[in-house]
Amino acid sequence: DTAVSQTPKYLVTQMGNDKSIKCEQNLGHDTMYWYKQDSKKFLKIMFSYNNKELIINETVPNRFSPKSPDKAHLNLHINSLELGDSAVYFCASSQRSGRLMNTEAFFGQGTRLTVV
Amino acid sequence: QKEVEQNSGPLSVPEGAIASLNCTYSDRGSQSFFWYRQYSGKSPELIMSIYSNGDKEDGRFTAQLNKASQYVSLLIRDSQPSDSATYLCAVPPQAGTALIFGKGTTLSVSS
Repeated sequence: DTAVSQTPKYLVTQMGNDKSIKCEQNLGHDTMYWYKQDSKKFLKIMFSYNNKELIINETVPNRFSPKSPDKAHLNLHINSLELGDSAVYFCASSQRSGRLMNTEAFFGQGTRLTVV
Repeated sequence: QKEVEQNSGPLSVPEGAIASLNCTYSDRGSQSFFWYRQYSGKSPELIMSIYSNGDKEDGRFTAQLNKASQYVSLLIRDSQPSDSATYLCAVPPQAGTALIFGKGTTLSVSS
């Protein structure tokens, strides 16, 4: 009964390839996120997606595109992968609407992406 | 630019001692504050949330919030080696926005 699950857990690929990471949450949350954690362990927001509203961190290259087929899924597609994209990518979800704004975010297990 | 600042550490304490972790944030409009723990190779897990000024206790953990000083801290009493991890402070700049994380403080508890 995993709450937030993402696949794959590990991804090794060559520069220039296109890859996708999938994320699903069964918590009934209305908001999902993608975070990137670099080699220095800094966790940085990339995207948040709420009821088809996409908020993009302006520092994210447009090679990264989130896709949400429904509110329980938020996939991350990356075009033309570069060495600097190597990191751990975390999906997360939270309940943003309603009386309790900003409840805690729950994280998936992470996808370690290595670009060679 | 919204910022959350933490001392990166490492913070080393002996088993049984109190570990004190600190965090400051830049946005005065922030209303929710969270502490996450992350073990090496694992995902962040929430250990404390606090919304009002003062202290909030949960077992061996106490979160302290001072909105006037834009400061939030986490105290871990009777520290155990299993508490050795990176502790992340997270703050949403405004209600309904994504959590902004500090760079984390690495805690090492020696037995």
